[in-house]
Amino acid sequence: QKEVEQNSGPLSVPEGAIASLNCTYSDRGSQSFFWYRQYSGKSPELIMFIYSNGDKEDGRFTAQLNKASQYVSLLIRDSQPSDSATYLCAVNRGGGNNRLAFGKGNQVVVIP
Amino acid sequence: DGGITQSPKYLFRKEGQNVTLSCEQNLNHDAMYWYRQDPGQGLRLIYYSQIVNDFQKGDIAEGYSVSREKKESFPLTVTSAQKNPTAFYLCASRADTDTQYFGPGTRLTVL
Repeated sequence: QKEVEQNSGPLSVPEGAIASLNCTYSDRGSQSFFWYRQYSGKSPELIMFIYSNGDKEDGRFTAQLNKASQYVSLLIRDSQPSDSATYLCAVNRGGGNNRLAFGKGNQVVVIP
Repeated sequence: DGGITQSPKYLFRKEGQNVTLSCEQNLNHDAMYWYRQDPGQGLRLIYYSQIVNDFQKGDIAEGYSVSREKKESFPLTVTSAQKNPTAFYLCASRADTDTQYFGPGTRLTVL
């Protein structure tokens, strides 16, 4: 089982709709979870982090964490064309070395 | 203006040549990381350093070397032993929390 898995295939959403991205992880010892946005040809930029079970909202973004089921999700409300990018899920690895494991990413395409 | 800088933005390497990628940060972060990204792939950890004068191998360290002589700098050398070096190389630094922040990246191509 991969450390971090993101469901494959681009996600196309109409402008103004909600985009929903999911990520599962294998290490039950993971305590920190991150979502990065990466535009084509650019480096990843942090958009959300979450440490506790439940929801965390920041503007149009909501991160949801369920440690018992080992998944973390990202909702993008009122999707805009500028949200078109690849979203990377990252999970802190256990062991105290502060290393992150990354998923392969989900491409989101917002259709005007 | 605080941040992480990487240079060069684009780099071309001939077969059998060693090249060094620069990463500098003025965020006063102790920890720094090097990742490699291939098309359609997640980031893979090459080397990391949690403090000056100390560094550890990541998941794919073979064919790479690093140094950490200054807190601000963490250069990565891609040696001729790295057989498939064409990739997007990303440097990151970490604050006291787990959060890592990335530089703009260096795109390396083997000619």
